[in-house]
Amino acid sequence: QVQLQQSGPGLMKPSQTLSLTCAISGDSVSSNSATWNWIRQSPSSGLEWLGRTYYRSRWYNDYAVSVKSRISINPDTSKNQFSLQLNSVTPEDTAVYYCARFRSTIGVDVWGQGTTVTVSS
Amino acid sequence: DIVMTQSPDSLAVSLGERATINCKSSQSVLYNSNNKNYLAWYQQRSGQPPKLLISWASTRESGVPDRFSGSGSGTDFTLTISSLQAEDVAVYYCQQYYGSPPHTFGQGTKLEFK
Repeated sequence: QVQLQQSGPGLMKPSQTLSLTCAISGDSVSSNSATWNWIRQSPSSGLEWLGRTYYRSRWYNDYAVSVKSRISINPDTSKNQFSLQLNSVTPEDTAVYYCARFRSTIGVDVWGQGTTVTVSS
Repeated sequence: DIVMTQSPDSLAVSLGERATINCKSSQSVLYNSNNKNYLAWYQQRSGQPPKLLISWASTRESGVPDRFSGSGSGTDFTLTISSLQAEDVAVYYCQQYYGSPPHTFGQGTKLEFK
């Protein structure tokens, strides 16, 4: 059974860098049949895909246009996990952040437990 | 980006009655080469992450009760719960996963008891 365990702070001040980690059990971050994603959810924006990392003979990343200048998603093969960094956060980045496994044959089939991130001065 | 629009935004149904949720995509999510619709449905209970119910527009995931069914093709899709149970109260989302990201979600439909 694949599980994703998120960790990271929940309260931030504007202009800080958000850092979250997602530890994978039951699968590999280097899997050739999955991509590893960050998705956030807020009342104003609903479910919003932020970006992904995946391995297909080499590592690839894709990011949403809305955050492309501020985001970085990186795999850590030694710990079988991946991370999210979002720079220069504002109150508009307040949301529940999920890590998730996506497979092109079915969609997002595994979700982390979610981390509530609040950006406030 | 493909825009997903669900209707209605909220729905109140009596226990044991049928619930129907619609999802419309701004462009077709049917891949002609394999005749598959790249459309998924999720259930999100309060305080939980979304849970995948249906993929390929109509294929139930393992363990999903058969009262849940998906239908449709191209740009118009429907999730039907044939006989509402207490544990079905949740928000339901459709998502297209056609081609490259972003694989966009609908805005959600809140299902409640009448």
